[in-house]
Amino acid sequence: EAQVTQNPRYLITVTGKKLTVTCSQNMNHEYMSWYRQDPGLGLRQIYYSMNVEVTDKGDVPEGYKVSRKEKRNFPLILESPSPNQTSLYFCASSLWMKGLRTDTQYFGPGTRLTVL
Amino acid sequence: AQSVTQLDSQVPVFEEAPVELRCNYSSSVSVYLFWYVQYPNQGLQLLLKYLSGSTLVKGINGFEAEFNKSQTSFHLRKPSVHISDTAEYFCAVSLYSSASKIIFGSGTRLSIRP
Repeated sequence: EAQVTQNPRYLITVTGKKLTVTCSQNMNHEYMSWYRQDPGLGLRQIYYSMNVEVTDKGDVPEGYKVSRKEKRNFPLILESPSPNQTSLYFCASSLWMKGLRTDTQYFGPGTRLTVL
Repeated sequence: AQSVTQLDSQVPVFEEAPVELRCNYSSSVSVYLFWYVQYPNQGLQLLLKYLSGSTLVKGINGFEAEFNKSQTSFHLRKPSVHISDTAEYFCAVSLYSSASKIIFGSGTRLSIRP
């Protein structure tokens, strides 16, 4: 089954304790992206990746890191989480995000993160 | 910089009534436009997208949207809604020049009354 998986689905942690949220897709998609969703703000893009070893900042990259060493995986790293990073996080992937070749984005089920 | 405004945070309608969810965008350059739906406790799914060509775009589940360049709008419509359409709907935009970077609106919660 074609899908985007995220782990963990729920995470409660404390300020300053490094964590990684994994994202994996089995559709051989080039493009992957991370978003955070907060009430009243919709989704905001954190980082995206056009292909392996190619990543770029979205609108709210501060406090986050990503890497794209393999095509299928795009982990989100919080080196020193803070309470303002408490949010619902979504990973997404797409075959292409290149103008008229833009394809559908497929979203993972979400990771609810609470930072105390 | 581009931005997306969804004018209504909540829209209550009766079942089988028509609905329009409004979306306006701000950009000095050409854009691509999207509508996504998020059902309770799920991720987002693409409803429809406008990349070029006909300004009336048909999507899944009977939804359609019309791109109006002069009014910088991309309103979503459905002639007759069902209980199963209860969800949150997000409008999104990306630039021709930077299609990988996507800006989402704040969302409209559609609630259907029987």
